[in-house]
Amino acid sequence: AQSVTQPDIHITVSEGASLELRCNYSYGATPYLFWYVQSPGQGLQLLLKYFSGDTLVQGIKGFEAEFKRSQSSFNLRKPSVHWSDAAEYFCAVGRNSGNTPLVFGKGTRLSVIA
Amino acid sequence: DGGITQSPKYLFRKEGQNVTLSCEQNLNHDAMYWYRQDPGQGLRLIYYSQIVNDFQKGDIAEGYSVSREKKESFPLTVTSAQKNPTAFYLCASSNPTGYGYTFGSGTRLTVV
Repeated sequence: AQSVTQPDIHITVSEGASLELRCNYSYGATPYLFWYVQSPGQGLQLLLKYFSGDTLVQGIKGFEAEFKRSQSSFNLRKPSVHWSDAAEYFCAVGRNSGNTPLVFGKGTRLSVIA
Repeated sequence: DGGITQSPKYLFRKEGQNVTLSCEQNLNHDAMYWYRQDPGQGLRLIYYSQIVNDFQKGDIAEGYSVSREKKESFPLTVTSAQKNPTAFYLCASSNPTGYGYTFGSGTRLTVV
């Protein structure tokens, strides 16, 4: 069965500092991997996705993520955090065929301080 | 613009009552999904539908029901059998999964 672990429940960073959010997945084949962001009381917005090919993927809002098969990880990074990045971030894994449900991690809440 | 519309945004229900949450999409997506979100629990799958007139239970289907009579619509009914229905409910669609989901803005259900 697929599963996703986001080890950090809450992270606080200073504005302008770099950010890395961790995501580990369990899946028997090549996964489809996603990062989503959620502002309070809103739906989720897709930041980036990995299917195959280049293991470093670029997304919106200056985010990037790196797929490391040997570590079963798909960590999200941003070189310089802005106050508007404060939100909850979800990693998700899916099968690479058909319209099948994604499995989500429990999320990491990001706080940004001045 | 194409998207997913969930209504209402806030919903209050008395214990013992059924309530239906609406989800409509104009993206021409084949698949639609319902997730429940509770603080610290992430998103848990309630039901999903890959095609009209067909749907499958997710991990927490007990106390919920759905229908998929039209491609655009996937309403969720929270029945009185759901023991703890207060939560944030999210609807999503995809075509196919590999391109990721499009989410609605959610419905917050409170049982009073």
